[in-house]
Amino acid sequence: GQNIDQPTEMTATEGAIVQINCTYQTSGFNGLFWYQQHAGEAPTFLSYNVLDGLEEKGRFSSFLSRSKGYSYLLLKELQMKDSASYLCAVSLDNNDMRFGAGTRLTVKP
Amino acid sequence: DTGVSQNPRHKITKRGQNVTFRCDPISEHNRLYWYRQTLGQGPEFLTYFQNEAQLEKSRLLSDRFSAERPKGSFSTLEIQRTEQGDSAMYLCASSWGTRTDTQYFGPGTRLTVL
Repeated sequence: GQNIDQPTEMTATEGAIVQINCTYQTSGFNGLFWYQQHAGEAPTFLSYNVLDGLEEKGRFSSFLSRSKGYSYLLLKELQMKDSASYLCAVSLDNNDMRFGAGTRLTVKP
Repeated sequence: DTGVSQNPRHKITKRGQNVTFRCDPISEHNRLYWYRQTLGQGPEFLTYFQNEAQLEKSRLLSDRFSAERPKGSFSTLEIQRTEQGDSAMYLCASSWGTRTDTQYFGPGTRLTVL
């Protein structure tokens, strides 16, 4: 089966840094995506990694280690609007995209 | 802004009725995906199209579910004889169709089966 695991909930303080981890065990791998989803809204694309290493994009960075089946999303200088669910998703060989259950992040003042 | 659009945004129906949802992808995108999402879970893949061809179907997609993309543009997802367990958000996404490309999601159709 395909397993994508991430913590269910996290809480952090405005202005701080938070790291959301994702581990995966899948039968194929064509890349790992992070999406942000506010309550009642559609997921929006944040980042994509296919090679090992860190991809930085403004306040958000994403890291991938293919050998460890591990990724993380790093959010810096947290803002209240960053309160949302963060979805880790793996693109499989057959173009099937498998999502984790999401990590609900709450940013407190 | 010509993003992915879905209609209706909300649908309430009685058990046993048929429902149909529509998705209009980003116009240049040749790949279109359908997902189902329940509260507290990530989206679950249902099916996808490359142009008008349906290339993959999840085992989650029972015989009561059918999807079409007749001209390679918009798509419809029909659920026949709805059950309470079908209550969920149905998300549509589209992409360029390259080997590893980004999917852009529509706002979803929230289905409630009474």
